[in-house]
Amino acid sequence: AQSVTQPDIHITVSEGASLELRCNYSYGATPYLFWYVQSPGQGLQLLLKYFSGDTLVQGIKGFEAEFKRSQSSFNLRKPSVHWSDAAEYFCAVGAGGSYIPTFGRGTSLIVHP
Amino acid sequence: KAGVTQTPRYLIKTRGQQVTLSCSPISGHRSVSWYQQTPGQGLQFLFEYFSETQRNKGNFPGRFSGRQFSNSRSEMNVSTLELGDSALYLCASSPAGGAGDSTDTQYFGPGTRLTVL
Repeated sequence: AQSVTQPDIHITVSEGASLELRCNYSYGATPYLFWYVQSPGQGLQLLLKYFSGDTLVQGIKGFEAEFKRSQSSFNLRKPSVHWSDAAEYFCAVGAGGSYIPTFGRGTSLIVHP
Repeated sequence: KAGVTQTPRYLIKTRGQQVTLSCSPISGHRSVSWYQQTPGQGLQFLFEYFSETQRNKGNFPGRFSGRQFSNSRSEMNVSTLELGDSALYLCASSPAGGAGDSTDTQYFGPGTRLTVL
């Protein structure tokens, strides 16, 4: 069975600093990988997804993620964080062929001014 | 273009009752997915419908069911409510492929907050 681990429950960064949120997955074959963001004002939103091809995926709001098969990771990055990025971030893995995703428990991002 | 709408936004029920939640997708979208979010279990996939057919189903008991109408609107039903069914129920729509499609993008509704007493 597939599983996702987001090791960091909370992360605090200063506005303007770079960000990396970690995601590790467990799945036997090539997974579908996703990052979502959830904030009180915007609800849940898909940031980006990886299915195949280029392992560096660009998403919305200036986010990117890199798929590293050797490390079973799909970390989310942003070069410069804005206060509006404060939210809960979820990584998810889906099985190939049919989409039944498994979500991580989320990482809460706090942004200091 | 209007976003995904879910009704009602808040609902209070008692154990043993049943409940029906509604989701209206973005106009032209044919795929609708449902998710449950609780503090204890986190985000979990319930099911996905496309063209009135259930395409994928998560690991939930048979008390959870859904359907999709010809206009793509979807409903989910929970029978014999339990305290643990208290959750935020999210609906998402996408043009066709759903989240399992490399080119489709899902759009989420604001959710229905269900409280079971």
